[in-house]
Amino acid sequence: GAGVSQTPSNKVTEKGKYVELRCDPISGHTALYWYRQSLGQGPEFLIYFQGTGAADDSGLPNDRFFAVRPEGSVSTLKIQRTERGDSAVYLCASSLDNLSYEQYFGPGTRLTVT
Amino acid sequence: GIQVEQSPPDLILQEGANSTLRCNFSDSVNNLQWFHQNPWGQLINLFYIPSGTKQNGRLSATTVATERYSLLYISSSQTTDSGVYFCAVEGDYGQNFVFGPGTRLSVLP
Repeated sequence: GAGVSQTPSNKVTEKGKYVELRCDPISGHTALYWYRQSLGQGPEFLIYFQGTGAADDSGLPNDRFFAVRPEGSVSTLKIQRTERGDSAVYLCASSLDNLSYEQYFGPGTRLTVT
Repeated sequence: GIQVEQSPPDLILQEGANSTLRCNFSDSVNNLQWFHQNPWGQLINLFYIPSGTKQNGRLSATTVATERYSLLYISSSQTTDSGVYFCAVEGDYGQNFVFGPGTRLSVLP
């Protein structure tokens, strides 16, 4: 079956612009996660959804970052007023249920803010 | 929160050699996974191993949860094994999935 997909694969935007990153999880997976990976580092947790609700958003760095999952499947990570420091690879993962199940990662979206 | 350490940070091997990568964590865990991040950035699941031992071809992993460490063994390494190996854990108390800093492996032909 299909794995986790993310679009776009690359996004270049100007400082101050708004961006949306999309994640399509594995069919039937109720849990969805967003991570951010900076160059040379491991992924860092941003937010976790169980179904439609954000069960843990403690990793979001500030209020410019927001994520939704309105129908419990596809999720969108939204970044307002982008800054150069937001440049990173944004990874999405899904798992069958809660955090104690194996997570499967998508290929990521590379965001560059100029 | 839970802390994750990995060693060594960098490892260079000749093709055909064996290696052991280590992951230490600071608290009891519900979930532990090993990933290989290939040169294109894709995170590939290697093992879901909160405890015990598993083997998959040339790779095997052991987690000793009571002593808070996990080991990844790579035997007869190949150039395609190159990349970064990450250990990631979820703590017992519903904490976030936390990644270690990774081990960068280079296998030379």
